[in-house]
Order: sequence, then structure tokens, then C-alpha cells
Amino acid sequence: SQQGEEDPQALSIQEGENATMNCSYKTSINNLQWYRQNSGRGLVHLILIRSNEREKHSGRLRVTLDTSKKSSSLLITASRAADTASYFCATDPNTGGFKTIFGAGTRLFVKA
Amino acid sequence: EPEVTQTPSHQVTQMGQEVILRCVPISNHLYFYWYRQILGQKVEFLVSFYNNEISEKSEIFDDQFSVERPDGSNFTLKIRSTKLEDSAMYFCATQASGRANTQYFGPGTRLTVL
Repeated sequence: SQQGEEDPQALSIQEGENATMNCSYKTSINNLQWYRQNSGRGLVHLILIRSNEREKHSGRLRVTLDTSKKSSSLLITASRAADTASYFCATDPNTGGFKTIFGAGTRLFVKA
Repeated sequence: EPEVTQTPSHQVTQMGQEVILRCVPISNHLYFYWYRQILGQKVEFLVSFYNNEISEKSEIFDDQFSVERPDGSNFTLKIRSTKLEDSAMYFCATQASGRANTQYFGPGTRLTVL
């Protein structure tokens, strides 16, 4: 497996429902970030959580980090059709240099 | 809000040709990255650059690739002899300082190698 793997690979929900995406990684990290990408477009940074943090909130987003399990989750509450996108977790591994490793992403589809 | 810009937005080239992709970082940012994303696949780290030298590079970043900041502002990625498999979106990202800061991504350059 590779650093930063998300599940599910795809998620389809109704508007108003919550969406939860998970990410697992292999090595120790400095921080973990979640990004959003609309089809064919650039990446938008959503939230960064440091290795010594367990939970962060930003608007309708809630991110958790469990370094003992090497996993993170992204919760989007009260989803909207405009949340339809791919969501990636990205880790900054504790390798000394500056590097960011992306997972394969979760494709979220929110039905209106 | 300041943005990272990339040029060109789309580059079409023949196999074996050299291409240079350009990125204008956000002013005062110190850390620079290049990533690529093959269509339908995940974003792959290529290289990071700080203090005028490469900080880390991936296995993808072989001798065909190079990066530089020729004029202290633009950050470029050069592919010396393009291959068909280099066709991808190439994203530049910049970061203010320290690894706990947000990376800001440019809109990408779509490279098509024929």
C-alpha cells in the first residue's frame, strides 16, 4: 500500500447528509492535510492538522487524526451539491526534507 | 487574495522535445513544489525546492527533470526530452514558511506529449 490511502474510493449521498472520508498512512508524519479538487481543476486546501493535534474544525468540516492508528477522517456536515468533488488527504512524512504525499482520493457526489 | 499562477495552461509537444513549465509563486513564499497528476490518477509529488536547492525529490524526478528559479521569482520545471508518459497535469505549489503552513496550488499546466 502507499502512503495516504483514502476510503471509500467513491461516495454518493443526498444533499443535507453528512459525508465521512477516511485516510490511512504508513510512516510517521509532521502533519496531514485535506484538499479538494473539482474535476480537471487545481487543488484547494481545506484544512491542515498537525501531528500533535487530534481534531480540527473549519466551518462544516471536521478533521480527526489518530497517529496511533495512522489514520485521519474528514467529515463534511450538511452536504451540498456544490461539495461534489474529489477529496484527497496528503501527508508530510517525517523524512527530513519537504515532501507531500497524496492519497488516491475519494470521489464525493452529492445529489440535489 | 494572492494566487499562484502557472503558464502555459496547456502545452502540446512532440515526443523528445524539451518543455519548460513556469510558475509564479506567491510573493514572499519560500518553499516551492512541483506535482503531476496523470488523468484520473492521484497527485504525485515530484520535487520540493527551498533556499535555491532541491530539498526532496521522488523517483519520478529523474535526470530528465530539472527545476530552477532563474530570476528569483519564477519557478520552472524543465523536462529535457519528453516521453508519451509525461502527459499529465503539472501543478506548482508554494508555501510561506515552515512545514506546518498551507501549500497554495496553481491552476496547473496540462502537458500533452504526442
